[in-house]
Amino acid sequence: DAKTTQPPSMDCAEGRAANLPCNHSTISGNEYVYWYRQIHSQGPQYIIHGLKNNETNEMASLIITEDRKSSTLILPHATLRDTAVYYCIVRDNNAGNMLTFGGGTRLMVKP
Amino acid sequence: DSGVTQTPKHLITATGQRVTLRCSPRSGDLSVYWYQQSLDQGLQFLIQYYNGEERAKGNILERFSAQQFPDLHSELNLSSLELGDSALYFCASGRGNYGYTFGSGTRLTVV
Repeated sequence: DAKTTQPPSMDCAEGRAANLPCNHSTISGNEYVYWYRQIHSQGPQYIIHGLKNNETNEMASLIITEDRKSSTLILPHATLRDTAVYYCIVRDNNAGNMLTFGGGTRLMVKP
Repeated sequence: DSGVTQTPKHLITATGQRVTLRCSPRSGDLSVYWYQQSLDQGLQFLIQYYNGEERAKGNILERFSAQQFPDLHSELNLSSLELGDSALYFCASGRGNYGYTFGSGTRLTVV
């Protein structure tokens, strides 16, 4: 699976949009982009995933660049409960591979 | 409740001992994945089972073993425990393209 690069930490003001970037310049055509988050020591939580089109669900939006070499996870109105480590992962779904977690971005939402 | 059940939630044991961690996957999920997360470390993939068969192996020590039973629950056996084995152990189950659903983890402390 392709490797991803994320900033180690970010701050965001409560109520503002949190934009978390991820670089995956070696992504291949059949690899999906997944986002998970881990709040404190809880089990990681699935947020969203996509292949090439932008995706939106009740938690977040995922914007993937046209060349698919990078993506941005957007939390539209961050709350204190969104403070967590956010992981960007790419995976070939057809191969049924495991998810390989990197260091992620530690997002701190501040009042 | 994610639908993935891990027991026990906490476990304290002495060096040299053996423990068994249990995971019941979400209903309908055939794949089970085990991850280890040590203090200040990322999530390390250990092993995957699919419908009773070992599918993939990661950084799993020889002292560790796992199996998946006909009812699809899985057990992770850790033996000859060392202080460095103290960690959170997560189980996840998977179905289709939605990545995994993680359990709440077992916190193992080796003293």
